[in-house]
Amino acid sequence: AQSVTQLDSQVPVFEEAPVELRCNYSSSVSVYLFWYVQYPNQGLQLLLKYLSGSTLVKGINGFEAEFNKSQTSFHLRKPSVHISDTAEYFCAVKRYTGNQFYFGTGTSLTVIP
Amino acid sequence: DAGVIQSPRHEVTEMGQEVTLRCKPISGHNSLFWYRQTMMRGLELLIYFNNNVPIDDSGMPEDRFSAKMPNASFSTLKIQPSEPRDSAVYFCASTVEGWDYSNQPQHFGDGTRLSIL
Repeated sequence: AQSVTQLDSQVPVFEEAPVELRCNYSSSVSVYLFWYVQYPNQGLQLLLKYLSGSTLVKGINGFEAEFNKSQTSFHLRKPSVHISDTAEYFCAVKRYTGNQFYFGTGTSLTVIP
Repeated sequence: DAGVIQSPRHEVTEMGQEVTLRCKPISGHNSLFWYRQTMMRGLELLIYFNNNVPIDDSGMPEDRFSAKMPNASFSTLKIQPSEPRDSAVYFCASTVEGWDYSNQPQHFGDGTRLSIL
């Protein structure tokens, strides 16, 4: 079975400061990894995805994530956040086979002016 | 390109009434998912379809919930009768699945905010 853990439910950070949102997963098989962002009153939008190859993945809006197989982690980072980054962030995994995505419980990022 | 389209965006109705939520997936996508999002339980998968066939409905809370996908471009989620605890945001998502497409992300609609009074 697959599971995704986002350890931080809420992360406040000052504008222009760096941020890291943590994601750990467990799976007995190989998986693809995704980060989604949800702005208020909107659906989830894909930020970035790790499929294979380089473990550092760059996404939209200046975000990047690093896949660490030994630690089964896929942490999301941004070197300097903006007010507009305030949103809910979800980590998700998908097995190589099968249709289902497994989502974490989300991390609420609040950027403080 | 048109994304996943859900209707209505907001629905307010009284307990006991029938509620129907609608979803149009992205053209060419062959898998469709219905999720429910609440503060208490987060994002829950209710059911998903592949090539219009329900594959896993184990997340459907109870018999009051039903979902159909009569064709590749339309799906409905129905609640009958509705109860206050069904109040939530319901999302539809679609993706393309197949041997060469196993790494494709899901694309979400903007959701239907349902309030049962």
